[in-house]
Amino acid sequence: DAGVTQSPTHLIKTRGQQVTLRCSPKSGHDTVSWYQQALGQGPQFIFQYYEEEERQRGNFPDRFSGHQFPNYSSELNVNALLLGDSALYLCASSLRRASYGYTFGSGTRLTVV
Amino acid sequence: AQTVTQSQPEMSVQEAETVTLSCTYDTSESDYYLFWYKQPPSRQMILVIRQEAYKQQNATENRFSVNFQKAAKSFSLKISDSQLGDAAMYFCASAANNAGNMLTFGGGTRLMVKP
Repeated sequence: DAGVTQSPTHLIKTRGQQVTLRCSPKSGHDTVSWYQQALGQGPQFIFQYYEEEERQRGNFPDRFSGHQFPNYSSELNVNALLLGDSALYLCASSLRRASYGYTFGSGTRLTVV
Repeated sequence: AQTVTQSQPEMSVQEAETVTLSCTYDTSESDYYLFWYKQPPSRQMILVIRQEAYKQQNATENRFSVNFQKAAKSFSLKISDSQLGDAAMYFCASAANNAGNMLTFGGGTRLMVKP
C-alpha cells in the first residue's frame, strides 16, 4: 500500500525563479493538502485540493498556486521565489476532505539562494 | 480560528522512563480533533495519537496516552517506557471536524532520549 510520495526530495533554486513540487496521495485518498514548514517551526497550511479544485487556502500570497489531476495527484507551484520561501514543503492526503485521517509524505526541502 | 501552543521547545528523558509533553489550544469550534504527530529526521509526519473532542475518555495507543482537559483546553502527551526510537520532534495539532478543515500545528517540542 503506497503512502504519500513527494518529488523531488531536495531542490535548490535562485531568487526570482519558479518551482514545481509534486505529490502522489496515498492509495484510496482523493484530497491533497500542502503545508510549508520553515526551519524550527510547525507546518503552516497553504491550500487543499479536492475534485480538482482549490477548496481552502491559508494565508499565502498568490505566488503560491496549485493543481490537482484526475488521478488525484497534485502540484504546488511557487513563482518569483524569495529567500523566505526556503522551507520543507509537506503534502498530506486524506479521503473526502476528512480532517481526522491525514497521511503525510516526507516532504520536499526547497532552498532558495 | 484555532491556535496551538507548545511551551516546551526541548525535553529530555532517560530511556525506560516516562515523559509528558504539554500542549494548549484555543478554538471556537465545538466539534474538533486533537492530534500528536511525531517528526523524525526522515521528516515524515507520523500520527502518534488522536482524540475526538466529544469523547471524555483519554485516548491511548500502546505506550502513548493523552491527558485531555477540555475546559482548560489542554492536551498533553505521556510517553511511557521511553525508547531511543522515540527521539524526534513532536507536534500538537488541532482540526475542526468540518469538511476540509486543515490542521493547525504548534511550534513543536524536541524530545531527546538518553541511553
